Amino acid sequence: AQSVAQPEDQVNVAEGNPLTVKCTYSVSGNPYLFWYVQYPNRGLQFLLKYITGDNLVKGSYGFEAEFNKSQTSFHLKKPSALVSDSALYFCAVRVFSGNTGKLIFGQGTTLQVKP
Amino acid sequence: NAGVMQNPRHLVRRRGQEARLRCSPMKGHSHVYWYRQLPEEGLKFMVYLQKENIIDESGMPKERFSAEFPKEGPSILRIQQVVRGDSAAYFCASSPPGTGSYEQYFGPGTRLTVT
Repeated sequence: AQSVAQPEDQVNVAEGNPLTVKCTYSVSGNPYLFWYVQYPNRGLQFLLKYITGDNLVKGSYGFEAEFNKSQTSFHLKKPSALVSDSALYFCAVRVFSGNTGKLIFGQGTTLQVKP
Repeated sequence: NAGVMQNPRHLVRRRGQEARLRCSPMKGHSHVYWYRQLPEEGLKFMVYLQKENIIDESGMPKERFSAEFPKEGPSILRIQQVVRGDSAAYFCASSPPGTGSYEQYFGPGTRLTVT
């Protein structure tokens, strides 16, 4: 079965420190991987995606993610966290089976950045 | 270019009533996806539609739930005879035509409360 796991419910970092939000996946075939961010009572905003090419993908708001095929991981990173980065982060994989292109999401990780 | 629009943003229904949730995709997007987010959980895929066609409804509950995306007008997610367990945030997402590597763009969601 195809799945996404975010092993940490919450990540706490101090402002200015680097942050990592972990994601591992299990898919058949080549993965299409995405990161989204959700602020309270809002929809999901797209941050970045990996389809093919360089393993390090750069996205919005200074975020980047590293695709690691051997470890089946796609961790989200940022060199210097901001308080405004505090939000709920979702990793997702796009499933192509038949005609569908649905996203399968991880459970989400709450990022708390303290001043 | 307006984003994905959903209405209403908040909907309160008594048990046994019907709920209708609307989604207008981004301009030029012909693919619509519905996801449900239960409290403290990630998003779960419900249904994938193209104009006048249901492509994948593997995530839809077998009873009381239906979806449509008519030739004209918004996509509608309909829940008949709502129960307390239907209380959740329902998100619509859209993407351009084709099955490529496109990210899905999410609306702000409709928060359904069943009393």
